Amino acid sequence: DIQMTQSPSTLSASVGDRVTITCRASQSISSWLAWYQQKAGKAPKLLIYKASSLESGVPSRFSGSGSGTEFTLTISSLQPDDFATYYCQQYNSPWTFGQGTKVEIK
Amino acid sequence: EVQLLESGGGLIQPGGSLRLSCAASGFTFSSYAMSWVRQAPGKGLEWVSAISGSGGTTYYADSVKGRFTISRDNSKNTLYLQMNSLRAEDTAVYYCAKDSGYCSSTSCYFYFDFWGQGTLVTVSS
Repeated sequence: DIQMTQSPSTLSASVGDRVTITCRASQSISSWLAWYQQKAGKAPKLLIYKASSLESGVPSRFSGSGSGTEFTLTISSLQPDDFATYYCQQYNSPWTFGQGTKVEIK
Repeated sequence: EVQLLESGGGLIQPGGSLRLSCAASGFTFSSYAMSWVRQAPGKGLEWVSAISGSGGTTYYADSVKGRFTISRDNSKNTLYLQMNSLRAEDTAVYYCAKDSGYCSSTSCYFYFDFWGQGTLVTVSS
């Protein structure tokens, strides 16, 4: 199975900061990558699919890039509502997730 | 509006069985593959199982293969997960998710565009 490794595991940032989360795949997954946001006690929410396509209704401060084995999720200006845990997921079956990156208040 | 509502979770002894249900609305249920994804307490997300829109093709994670069975009733817009021989490590919140993507002749490319609120399964004596 394809392994997904996110970094960092935890990120401390302030409102207004530019934030970047990295996800690496153990083998090439082309652009078959999605990003999710999860808040405590809630279901995950889709942010990005196909590495860089923004899901409908998701603020444009979120963006994704990359292909092959290295991918990034960028939040251009961190907002109070963005403090959460973020997961990448490769979707070339079987489907696997990264271990998550918690974005916390600095 | 897409809605997914899971039910059936609870406390069960090791070795026991449980059936989860997920009632779907707001989309043409039979047109979409569906999945179960779980999250152990304080841990990350783990895909568990998927089923095609027709129900004719199923997929399982190695960790549940042979113990869990996914199925669907398109006449009732409901997804199921039958869980047998439960272990402590199966303790998790179980989410149902609507799949978006497609299958080629060799692989399926699904991400999860809508999720239910989850149902907690606790396996403990």
